[in-house]
Amino acid sequence: KNEVEQSPQNLTAQEGEFITINCSYSVGISALHWLQQHPGGGIVSLFMLSSGKKKHGRLIATINIQEKHSSLHITASHPRDSAVYICAVTHSGAGSYQLTFGKGTKLSVIP
Amino acid sequence: NAGVTQTPKFQVLKTGQSMTLQCAQDMNHNSMYWYRQDPGMGLRLIYYSASEGTTDKGEVPNGYNVSRLNKREFSLRLESAAPSQTSVYFCASSVGGSGTYGYTFGSGTRLTVV
Repeated sequence: KNEVEQSPQNLTAQEGEFITINCSYSVGISALHWLQQHPGGGIVSLFMLSSGKKKHGRLIATINIQEKHSSLHITASHPRDSAVYICAVTHSGAGSYQLTFGKGTKLSVIP
Repeated sequence: NAGVTQTPKFQVLKTGQSMTLQCAQDMNHNSMYWYRQDPGMGLRLIYYSASEGTTDKGEVPNGYNVSRLNKREFSLRLESAAPSQTSVYFCASSVGGSGTYGYTFGSGTRLTVV
């Protein structure tokens, strides 16, 4: 079983829809990261969080440490949001230099 | 723009050839990383450098070597390229590795070994 699991793997939405991407992890962490990767492009860090909730524009990230679960929400989705969204965790303790990544969720937003 | 710069962006090698991927950051970050990204798999850590003068193996170090040349630069060398090393390589940096800092990624190097 992977240490970081994302769902769904693929997601197609109509422009304007509210989108949720989920991430579950099985290890102790000091932080969880949400990243965005456009086709053929580099990787951009969207959020880093260790508790609670963060918001940036139309993007909201939440984490529940007790349940080992995080969600990334996109409100009023737009075609430019089409990308792969990747969840990654920083292990707590001795392995804190290593990020473990989920396999990503490919989002397509149709006009 | 400030950030992480990787060169080259694309490279085709023949099996057995060697090459060095270059990475430089201008954010005064202490820690630097090399990852590879393969279809159907998450990014995997090859090597990292927690601070200038130190390097450590990650999850998939075989076939690679690294050099932390100074605080800004961290290079990845393939001594004898193999088709299994066909991948997209990303360099990243962070202020530190405690998990309380975010990461900045380069734009990637797409390497094909034939």
